[in-house]
Amino acid sequence: DTGVSQDPRHKITKRGQNVTFRCDPISEHNRLYWYRQTLGQGPEFLTYFQNEAQLEKSRLLSDRFSAERPKGSFSTLEIQRTEQGDSAMYLCASSWPRGPNTEAFFGQGTRLTVV
Amino acid sequence: DAKTTQPNSMESNEEEPVHLPCNHSTISGTDYIHWYRQLPSQGPEYVIHGLTSNVNNRMASLAIAEDRKSSTLILHRATLRDAAVYYCILRETGNQFYFGTGTSLTVIP
Repeated sequence: DTGVSQDPRHKITKRGQNVTFRCDPISEHNRLYWYRQTLGQGPEFLTYFQNEAQLEKSRLLSDRFSAERPKGSFSTLEIQRTEQGDSAMYLCASSWPRGPNTEAFFGQGTRLTVV
Repeated sequence: DAKTTQPNSMESNEEEPVHLPCNHSTISGTDYIHWYRQLPSQGPEYVIHGLTSNVNNRMASLAIAEDRKSSTLILHRATLRDAAVYYCILRETGNQFYFGTGTSLTVIP
């Protein structure tokens, strides 16, 4: 296992289209996180899963955003009716469920450009 | 979510030590102090974390103040590959990571 994998690495879409991103975490990690990062800013928390259960969603996750982790392994993040403001880097991370005394491992991210 | 304060940017000469400060005056007793760094066009990378005692690993050292209201990440010999944005994060029992804007480190050859 070489780490957290995200696909695609880059996505260009027209405004109004739907997009879906995939994240494959490190295999033994139960926790999976999604973040969004815009230029010059730190990553912003969107949501996280413990196995297949979505335990928390940020206010940033509008109704157009939905995340799933159906079998507790990979996760998908879908954005419906994309807007130009959705252009950002979308980051996925995973960790063991050992509370705050453990590190998270991040993927390389999916860069979304909405034109 | 607990907050941290870091300088926006710092510079260091190559092969010299770098001390990156972080203030977290509202830290609670169960918050762990984590440091991550992010190279351009990459995801954040774990550097080090600690609770109360100073910590060392192959990448860096973490010095935590006795009252835990501040900490310092120490890179013992900066290299050009250490040029990145460094984030100081308090990880709470809820387990999410809340990033600030970090410190952009420039390493001068």
